[in-house]
Amino acid sequence: GENVEQHPSTLSVQEGDSAVIKCTYSDSASNYFPWYKQELGKRPQLIIDIRSNVGEKKDQRIAVTLNKTAKHFSLHITETQPEDSAVYFCAAPFISGGYQKVTFGIGTKLQVIP
Amino acid sequence: SQTIHQWPATLVQPVGSPLSLECTVEGTSNPNLYWYRQAAGRGLQLLFYSVGIGQISSEVPQNLSASRPQDRQFILSSKKLLLSDSGFYLCAWFGQSSGANVLTFGAGSRLTVL
Repeated sequence: GENVEQHPSTLSVQEGDSAVIKCTYSDSASNYFPWYKQELGKRPQLIIDIRSNVGEKKDQRIAVTLNKTAKHFSLHITETQPEDSAVYFCAAPFISGGYQKVTFGIGTKLQVIP
Repeated sequence: SQTIHQWPATLVQPVGSPLSLECTVEGTSNPNLYWYRQAAGRGLQLLFYSVGIGQISSEVPQNLSASRPQDRQFILSSKKLLLSDSGFYLCAWFGQSSGANVLTFGAGSRLTVL
């Protein structure tokens, strides 16, 4: 199956600075890489995703980059704001036994200090 | 549009008592459905997934079980809860959203076993 490693597990940045979270995956057949944001006590919600046919995707202050050769993808948040504080999960769907599953990284707790 | 409902939102149960958590999906047919568990401060662990009525696959051995009595209904159960069953249980479906296949979570059920 797919193995997804995520780091760092915790990250503190000053408001206005950038934050970068990195993930690696093991299944070279994976072709879709979503990122989820989970605020305290709430469900994870998709914030951005990238498919294997592109190397970068941006949506306002967040961007995701993908390096298929190295099997890693990263989340970049620029001009961080206190409301960016949350736990972020990377994920990689894969096919197992003919069925689609999704493996998540362990999560990164981001704290943006005002 | 597709929506996913989970209930109850929170519950407190004594050790050894039974459990039933329900998830329903609207606006789609034959969805792939998943149960994840998130222990306090931890990542997302896949418990069960289902590709259709009566079709359940288990990811980890445990005292939990799942059933899919109807196409859009997915139930997580236990006959006797353990302290270690405490956590945030999330139902999810993997399907089309805005033209892409994404994993969407329900609001979650927070279980405390005392």
